[in-house]
Amino acid sequence: AQSVTQLGSHVSVSEGALVLLRCNYSSSVPPYLFWYVQYPNQGLQLLLKYTSAATLVKGINGFEAEFKKSETSFHLTKPSAHMSDAAEYFCAVSDGTGGGADGLTFGKGTHLIIQP
Amino acid sequence: GAGVSQSPSNKVTEKGKDVELRCDPISGHTALYWYRQSLGQGLEFLIYFQGNSAPDKSGLPSDRFSAERTGGSVSTLTIQRTQQEDSAVYLCASSREGQGEQYFGPGTRLTVT
Repeated sequence: AQSVTQLGSHVSVSEGALVLLRCNYSSSVPPYLFWYVQYPNQGLQLLLKYTSAATLVKGINGFEAEFKKSETSFHLTKPSAHMSDAAEYFCAVSDGTGGGADGLTFGKGTHLIIQP
Repeated sequence: GAGVSQSPSNKVTEKGKDVELRCDPISGHTALYWYRQSLGQGLEFLIYFQGNSAPDKSGLPSDRFSAERTGGSVSTLTIQRTQQEDSAVYLCASSREGQGEQYFGPGTRLTVT
């Protein structure tokens, strides 16, 4: 069985500051890992994915994440926060047996608040 | 191209009634997924279709929930004898075969009164 833990249901940063959203996973097999963003009243949009290639993954909107197997982590970062980054962020894991194309297990989400 | 579309966007129904939710995946995507998003439970996987293979129904919460995918394209999620705890946003996603990234629709907000 696989699981995802996102530390902090709410994270508040100042505009221009570093964004760090934490994600730890549990998986019995090498995982596929994803970060999705959800803006109010919208569906989920893929930010980036890890599929066992490079451990540092770059995504859209200036976000990146680093896969650390020893720490079972996949934290999301952005060097400088923008007001438009305010949204709900979800980390998700797939156990990879279906090439990553099976059902995702999501974390509870982190609400990112950007202070002007 | 067009993204994943879902209908209706909102549905209000009385407890005990049946509802059908529709999903149109991205053209060419062979995999289709249903998820449920609620305040108490977060995002939960419900069911997964891949091509002509038998669907993975491991996430369906009860036998009141069922889903079909006709012609390898459009899917319908049916909830029979709805209960108040079924109130949630139902999200559909699709992906290409062998690709990990799933593309999500805007969801259907179901309210059971």
